[in-house]
Amino acid sequence: EADIYQTPRYLVIGTGKKITLECSQTMGHDKMYWYQQDPGMELHLIHYSYGVNSTEKGDLSSESTVSRIRTEHFPLTLESARPSHTSQYLCASSEFTGNYEQYFGPGTRLTVT
Amino acid sequence: SQQGEEDPQALSIQEGENATMNCSYKTSINNLQWYRQNSGRGLVHLILIRSNEREKHSGRLRVTLDTSKKSSSLLITASRAADTASYFCATPLSGGAQKLVFGQGTRLTINP
Repeated sequence: EADIYQTPRYLVIGTGKKITLECSQTMGHDKMYWYQQDPGMELHLIHYSYGVNSTEKGDLSSESTVSRIRTEHFPLTLESARPSHTSQYLCASSEFTGNYEQYFGPGTRLTVT
Repeated sequence: SQQGEEDPQALSIQEGENATMNCSYKTSINNLQWYRQNSGRGLVHLILIRSNEREKHSGRLRVTLDTSKKSSSLLITASRAADTASYFCATPLSGGAQKLVFGQGTRLTINP
């Protein structure tokens, strides 16, 4: 079991609310990632980070933002949630060198009503 | 365009049978990885095969890699109900970004 945690696991929230999805890892990994995944579908990379104070947008455009102030923490924020943001959000981390093997958190299932 | 595509999209077999899933990719790679995802959960790394390897085993898992055809297969032998999950192949993108590109996944159902 990977030492990477996500909270909350489930979130149902109304349109227009600001939300922050938390992700933390205790493995000391430099690289962290956020993926968006609709049920039964592929993963889409929306953000990644090489390390502290480094953030990059992924392959799928997202209205969310991320920050990386501490190595272990990589939160994702939506300033104004919309129904189109309803999805599962997966956080992952990997070592800076190596085979790019990624360790995933359990995910946050977000529903925006 | 996707780096990895998987086939079949869904597979349903009886417990005890073998399950085979295939993955094709487009660009040269230095390794290919397989992950499992139980419903509503994150992905779990299963096995990695390097580009200079043709076959690798881990317990009931057998992975093959054919770089000339840009394809890989995952075989699960003597399947169990607990193997029911989605299985994804993933390949690293070239360049320094250290990103993985995941296929669409194969949804495997093991019937008791």
